[in-house]
Amino acid sequence: GIQVEQSPPDLILQEGANSTLRCNFSDSVNNLQWFHQNPWGQLINLFYIPSGTKQNGRLSATTVATERYSLLYISSSQTTDSGVYFCAVGVQGGSEKLVFGKGTKLTVNP
Amino acid sequence: ETGVTQSPTHLIKTRGQQVTLRCSSQSGHNTVSWYQQALGQGPQFIFQYYREEENGRGNFPPRFSGLQFPNYSSELNVNALELDDSALYLCAGGGSGANVLTFGAGSRLTVL
Repeated sequence: GIQVEQSPPDLILQEGANSTLRCNFSDSVNNLQWFHQNPWGQLINLFYIPSGTKQNGRLSATTVATERYSLLYISSSQTTDSGVYFCAVGVQGGSEKLVFGKGTKLTVNP
Repeated sequence: ETGVTQSPTHLIKTRGQQVTLRCSSQSGHNTVSWYQQALGQGPQFIFQYYREEENGRGNFPPRFSGLQFPNYSSELNVNALELDDSALYLCAGGGSGANVLTFGAGSRLTVL
């Protein structure tokens, strides 16, 4: 099956710093989503981005499908950005089975 | 508030027991998926239901079973609990043709 690798596994930042999280996947995908999991376990969808670039406030994401990777950029980080960021991919598109990476644990210190 | 509600939030069971976890999704979510997330890992797909029928299953044994009801609610049943079943169980709703899954806050199961 498809493999998803995320890096780095852990990241510690000072408030205000910028960061880049990476997701590599082993096969062509029709579905790629970035999620943020807060300390209470809630998974929040950040982006649906099987290709191209999107921005939402301080967050942006880019997926280069031909090279099988996606990047999540966080600018001017805040303590509330802390949590685990997951990349998840699917090969069929639509609301189907997603394969998740192991996540990047982000800690933003005040 | 995501439109997907799970209950209970936490529960403790002993090995060999059975457990039922519940999920209530908003109208328009005609697919429901269940994921298991072990500590320190990403969520793993258990199965998906569409129109009350199982519509895809991950690498989980038959003692993991589910139901989807016409009112957009769903259940995950696990029989003969094992210690390794201790995890956060996540329910996700999706609409027909929708690309984005909406997750509930999860049910944290501890098996002693």
